[in-house]
Amino acid sequence: SQELEQSPQSLIVQEGKNLTINCTSSKTLYGLYWYKQKYGEGLIFLMMLQKGGEEKSHEKITAKLDEKKQQSSLHITASQPSHAGIYLCGADNGNKLVFGAGTILRVKS
Amino acid sequence: NAGVTQTPKFQVLKTGQSMTLQCAQDMNHEYMSWYRQDPGMGLRLIHYSVGAGITDQGEVPNGYNVSRSTTEDFPLRLLSAAPSQTSVYFCASTQWDRNSPLHFGNGTRLTVT
Repeated sequence: SQELEQSPQSLIVQEGKNLTINCTSSKTLYGLYWYKQKYGEGLIFLMMLQKGGEEKSHEKITAKLDEKKQQSSLHITASQPSHAGIYLCGADNGNKLVFGAGTILRVKS
Repeated sequence: NAGVTQTPKFQVLKTGQSMTLQCAQDMNHEYMSWYRQDPGMGLRLIHYSVGAGITDQGEVPNGYNVSRSTTEDFPLRLLSAAPSQTSVYFCASTQWDRNSPLHFGNGTRLTVT
């Protein structure tokens, strides 16, 4: 079965700094989703990538899917306290969406 | 639209008790699923359904039952709760046309003592 490994597991950044979260799949990715979760709340959809080399941006968050379609990165530019939370990547695995363990992001003011 | 609605938000059970976590969606989505979220383990799929009358097992189905009698509802049943089932449970739905993301409910926090 497909497994997703996220790195780092957690990170603390100073407000205004850039950061990158990675998601590596054990199999070729045919659909990669990024979600954000605030503590104690549900998951909010950020963006979906489907093609190798695809890149999407929403406000200060950019996600890329590499050419070999086995890794995705999420980049946040000029981080803000509102970016804090848990970021999860999910992959389309037939009739199932499997998730990585998540990356906990804390932003220090 | 309310989206995906889960009830209750919080629940405490004693070992051996049974209960049903409710999930309803008003988006006419064919696909619905249940996940549990535990610290350090991300979201793990319990059961899923691709349409009314059709259900299948995910990664961690033991101890849970589901049914899908309508498109809107997908309840998750714990027949005999165990402390290992203490977790946060999320229900999600999608049109599943490979262009639509999963829409999540706000979760049910379950504690089994």
